[in-house]
This record gives sequence, structure tokens and C-alpha cells, in this order.
Amino acid sequence: ETGVTQSPTHLIKTRGQQVTLRCSSQSGHNTVSWYQQALGQGPQFIFQYYREEENGRGNFPPRFSGLQFPNYSSELNVNALELDDSALYLCASSLGQVQGIGYTFGSGTRLTVV
Amino acid sequence: GESVGLHLPTLSVQEGDNSIINCAYSNSASDYFIWYKQESGKGPQFIIDIRSNMDKRQGQRVTVLLNKTVKHLSLQIAATQPGDSAVYFCAENPEPVSGYSTLTFGKGTMLLVSP
Repeated sequence: ETGVTQSPTHLIKTRGQQVTLRCSSQSGHNTVSWYQQALGQGPQFIFQYYREEENGRGNFPPRFSGLQFPNYSSELNVNALELDDSALYLCASSLGQVQGIGYTFGSGTRLTVV
Repeated sequence: GESVGLHLPTLSVQEGDNSIINCAYSNSASDYFIWYKQESGKGPQFIIDIRSNMDKRQGQRVTVLLNKTVKHLSLQIAATQPGDSAVYFCAENPEPVSGYSTLTFGKGTMLLVSP
């Protein structure tokens, strides 16, 4: 059974640029959630994808968008990068959307915006 | 807004000691909680969970206590080992809203275990 893999592991971008982060979900999982973790903070929910559609979103602006593919992998896109977007971006996969379903996290992508 | 938070940012213990990490939550409607361990360069790893119809749950060397009266969670680690050094988060996983369920994390506590 493979776990959640994220790519790239590290990334440096310039303010105003756009970035795409990728996530392969754990085998058998059909739901992907993305979280932003600023240094010294807990992860903050960005959005969740289920059956290739966004079905939940946290307090993040529209320039944060995503996709889920038929194989349940997912992308997180951030446009017009700001310095405050520098963070660890975590992807978590799960089976279904109900409470109590186990989430498996990837190791994250460390994004630095300069 | 409502959030999950922690009392102590850093906890330093000696190997072999018992560790207690605390967490306060503010959403009285929360009914499911999870403790995660996050090591440097890794994503959060599930440790143990508890539902609000319980006040204690035990795992291997870990125990979670839930006090709904004061909205407080704690994670107890017995015979702490250097490999337990990490940041620990409590997270709230409420009933699904509008068809989906999410995790709300606290800020975390760094546990440092000295040999």
C-alpha cells in the first residue's frame, strides 16, 4: 500500500508568480484535502476534493484553486503569490468525507516566496 | 472564530519520564478529537483519537483524556523516548458540514526528550 506523495518537496517562487503543487493520494482513497502550515503554526484547511469536485473550502481567497483527477490525485494552484504564502503545503487523503475517517498526510511541499 | 489551541508551546522531559501535553478547544459542539505527531520534514502522523462519548482512551504508551466540562484534552506519553521528540497537535474533526468533514488543528506543542 503506497502512502501520500507530494511534489516537489521544496520550491522557491517570486512574488506575483503562479505555482502548482501535486499530490498522489494513498491507494484506495478517493478524497483529498489540502492544508497550509505556516512556520510554528498548526495546519489550516484550504479545501477538499471529492469525485473531482471541490466540496468544501476554508478561509482562503479564490487565487487558491485546485483539481482532482480520475485517479484521485490532486493539484493545488496558487496565483499571484504573496510573501505570506510561504508555508508548508500538506495534502491529506482519506476514504469518503465522513467524520472519523482516517486521514493520511504527505510530507508536504515547502514553498518559499521571495 | 472558534479554534483549538494548546497551553504549552514547548515541553522538555528526560528519557523515561511520563509526558503530558494539553489542549483546549472552544467549540462545544465538537465530538471527535485526534492527536497527531509531526516530526521535522514530515507530515502529521495519527497517534490516537477519542469521541466525546468517552473520557479516556488508551493506546500503546499513549493515553488521551477528554474533559468536556472544561473543554480540555490531554495526551499522556508513558516512558518517553528520544524518538518521541516532535511537535504534537490536537485536532478537532466535527460532524460534516454541507457534506464534508475537515480537521481544525491547534498550534502545536514541541516535545523535547533528553537522553
